[in-house]
Amino acid sequence: SYVLTQPPSVSVAPGQTARITCGGNHIESKHVHWYQQQPGQAPVLVIYYDTDRPSGIPERFSGSNSGSTATLTINRVEAGDEADYYCQVWDTATDHLVFGGGTKLTVL
Amino acid sequence: EVQLVESGGGLVQPGRSMRLFCGASGFTFGDYAMHWVRHGPGKGLEWVAGISWNSGSIGYADSVKGRFTIYRDNARNSLYLQMSSLRVDDTALYYCAKSPTLRAGYRNDWFESWGQGTMVIVSS
Repeated sequence: SYVLTQPPSVSVAPGQTARITCGGNHIESKHVHWYQQQPGQAPVLVIYYDTDRPSGIPERFSGSNSGSTATLTINRVEAGDEADYYCQVWDTATDHLVFGGGTKLTVL
Repeated sequence: EVQLVESGGGLVQPGRSMRLFCGASGFTFGDYAMHWVRHGPGKGLEWVAGISWNSGSIGYADSVKGRFTIYRDNARNSLYLQMSSLRVDDTALYYCAKSPTLRAGYRNDWFESWGQGTMVIVSS
């Protein structure tokens, strides 16, 4: 089955840039989607189709996908960005939707 | 505004069955694929099952295939998950999630909107 690898944790100071990576075999050939899950809340879609941002998501959130890594970038990090972040793809080999293990973003 | 409201969770013994329900409003339910996603304690998100807008295509995670059944009633704006032979490791918060794509299958999908979830605890 297809495996998506995320770092368990990322820490960043307020105002700095956070980069959360998502690795997978030939991930550049897949569409990657990203979700933010704050404590006690349902997940929220923050990036879809590698780079697109749903309405209502701040421009500080952006995505990229090249090489063997997809990246969620959060500019000018705020305390309210502290959450778990998950990447997700469709695995054509198994017909399954797959999530990464999640990354906990800590704002110092 | 899209609203998804799950119910039906609770405490159940291993080996028993349970049915989850998701009521939808704020959009034309019958036009969109739907999914169940779960979040186990201390674990990450896990896709459980997906169903196309017209129930023509259905898929399951390997961990639940043969034990869980996803189905929908478009006339009632309702999504269901029938769970049988429940195991301790099925314990999780179960979310109902909506596809963004009009009249598509569940494949190559992502989750535009989520409910707040219903908790299932499998324990003796």
